[in-house]
Amino acid sequence: GENVEQHPSTLSVQEGDSAVIKCTYSDSASNYFPWYKQELGKRPQLIIDIRSNVGEKKDQRIAVTLNKTAKHFSLHITETQPEDSAVYFCAASSPEGANSKLTFGKGITLSVRP
Amino acid sequence: SAVISQKPSRDICQRGTSLTIQCQVDSQVTMMFWYRQQPGQSLTLIATANQGSEATYESGFVIDKFPISRPNLTFSTLTVSNMSPEDSSIYLCSVEPFEGQPQHFGDGTRLSIL
Repeated sequence: GENVEQHPSTLSVQEGDSAVIKCTYSDSASNYFPWYKQELGKRPQLIIDIRSNVGEKKDQRIAVTLNKTAKHFSLHITETQPEDSAVYFCAASSPEGANSKLTFGKGITLSVRP
Repeated sequence: SAVISQKPSRDICQRGTSLTIQCQVDSQVTMMFWYRQQPGQSLTLIATANQGSEATYESGFVIDKFPISRPNLTFSTLTVSNMSPEDSSIYLCSVEPFEGQPQHFGDGTRLSIL
């Protein structure tokens, strides 16, 4: 089955700096890669996603890049703000028959220092 | 996006008892899933709730422990049976509104077993 690795487990940046979070996956058949943000005590919320036919996708201060050859994808947050502090989960979706299921990384805790 | 209501939001239970968690969506959805998130950990898929048929369980999860129902396209239940302290966790419902659309999560049920 799919295995998603996420490094590092914690990241601390100064407000206004950029943050980059990297994930690797094992199944070359995986074709969909979402990122979720989870604030303390809240539900995971989708912030951006990318499919395997695209190399990069951007939404305001957030971007995701995908390298299929190396089987890794990264989340980029520019101009970080204190409200970006949260746990970020990457995931990969492997098609299985008519359905697909998500395998999540262990999560990274991002702290943005004011 | 679909509005997902999960009940109860939290509960404290005695070991050996069972609890049923409900997940209601305000529109018909293709896929419904149940996840477990242990304290400070990532999300682990328990099973895919299939409408009108038995759920599809992931490795390590069995129907006798986690019976699931999905009588229609807007509702599902997860029962945690014969609970022990190791079952203390957050249980999350997620939905995939249509094939290929991102998954969205409910607020979760925080379960503590004494």
